[in-house]
Order: sequence, then structure tokens, then C-alpha cells
Amino acid sequence: SQQGEEDPQALSIQEGENATMNCSYKTSINNLQWYRQNSGRGLVHLILIRSNEREKHSGRLRVTLDTSKKSSSLLITASRAADTASYFCATDARHSNYQLIWGAGTKLIIKP
Amino acid sequence: DAGVIQSPRHEVTEMGQEVTLRCKPISGHDYLFWYRQTMMRGLELLIYFNNNVPIDDSGMPEDRFSAKMPNASFSTLKIQPSEPRDSAVYFCASRLQGADSGKNIQYFGAGTRLSVL
Repeated sequence: SQQGEEDPQALSIQEGENATMNCSYKTSINNLQWYRQNSGRGLVHLILIRSNEREKHSGRLRVTLDTSKKSSSLLITASRAADTASYFCATDARHSNYQLIWGAGTKLIIKP
Repeated sequence: DAGVIQSPRHEVTEMGQEVTLRCKPISGHDYLFWYRQTMMRGLELLIYFNNNVPIDDSGMPEDRFSAKMPNASFSTLKIQPSEPRDSAVYFCASRLQGADSGKNIQYFGAGTRLSVL
């Protein structure tokens, strides 16, 4: 069963706006990761945040993690048309032998 | 490194035929994962290997599915006989094990889009 659940399922915004996606999970984790999938392509790793971290930045990406609420958010600032993709969170749950547990994804559309 | 390489990129076959999907992981990676992605069920883990040994195949849907990893640089996923409900995108991913959890990042191939008619 999938541990991560993203919301919203779909998000459509204007280019230049910020996009925020959320992920909730169920069990204790070692880390949480976000991946991007462009249409017709494989998933690409974006950013990893460890369980003892609360916030992490990478370029226009900002990830937060709240382990007390078992939730994470991904913020993409100043969105571009090229950010149009599906975004997945994946948790590296403790005692999972390093399997990743995947959410259902958020489909992001950036309108030019 | 060329990344994870999957072949073929697209496969169209008729129900009842055997289908073989291939994967070459990133050199030096010791974990290999096979996933299936559909609109209805999302991304599902089918099976994964560590050092060429299958560790967990509980995600393999039926006995019609089998996977092998004869060496560190090659894996196959076979469906025999194929059925229309097997139509999906199949991904292979590899990972380098490390005590540092920061190394638990999976690298995906471009996928094989399978259509069973």
C-alpha cells in the first residue's frame, strides 16, 4: 500500500506564480524525497530531506518536513512552463530495507 | 554514466504472447527495482534485487510475471502469457546502498510502454 498521499491531485497555475504541493505519510521515516516526472519520462530525483531536518532549499525548490504531523510540502517559486510535470513524494521508511514508499503524485500544469 | 537504460521503449503485442523487458542499471549500483505505473494504480513496486538476488517479489501480480538478474549489469522482466490488463509503463530503477541515508536515491530509466492488444 502507498504510504505517501499528495494533495492536491492536480494544480494549474500561471507562469511566475508559486506552486505548493503537500505530502502526508504514515510511519516513521529516515528521509523523504521528492521526484519529478515529465510526460513520457522516468522519475527524476529533486531533493531529499532527512528526518532530523525541517527545511531544505535547492534553487527554486523549498521543502519542509514536519515529522510530528507526518507531512511535507514542496514549494516551487517563480514557476516556469518547464515545471509542468507530475511530482511524487517518496518516503524511506524505517525498517523498510531502504524501499521507497510512493505517493500518488500531484500533476502540475503551468500556464504560459 | 549513461544512466539506467531500458529496452524497448515501446512494445505492442497481442494477448497471449511473451514479453521481455530489459534493464541495465547504473554501474556500481547494487539495488535494482522494477515498477509498474498505471493511471488507476499509480506506481507499484513489483520486485527488487540486491546484489543480483531477489529480495522481495511480493508485488509481482501473478505467476505470469517473472524477473531475473543474471549479473550486476542486466535484468529482465518477463510476462508470459501477456494479457490486456498488463498494459502499463514499466520502469526499472537502481540505487547505491550506503549507510548514509542520503544515498538512498533511486535513478529511473525512461520506461517501457507496453500495450497488450
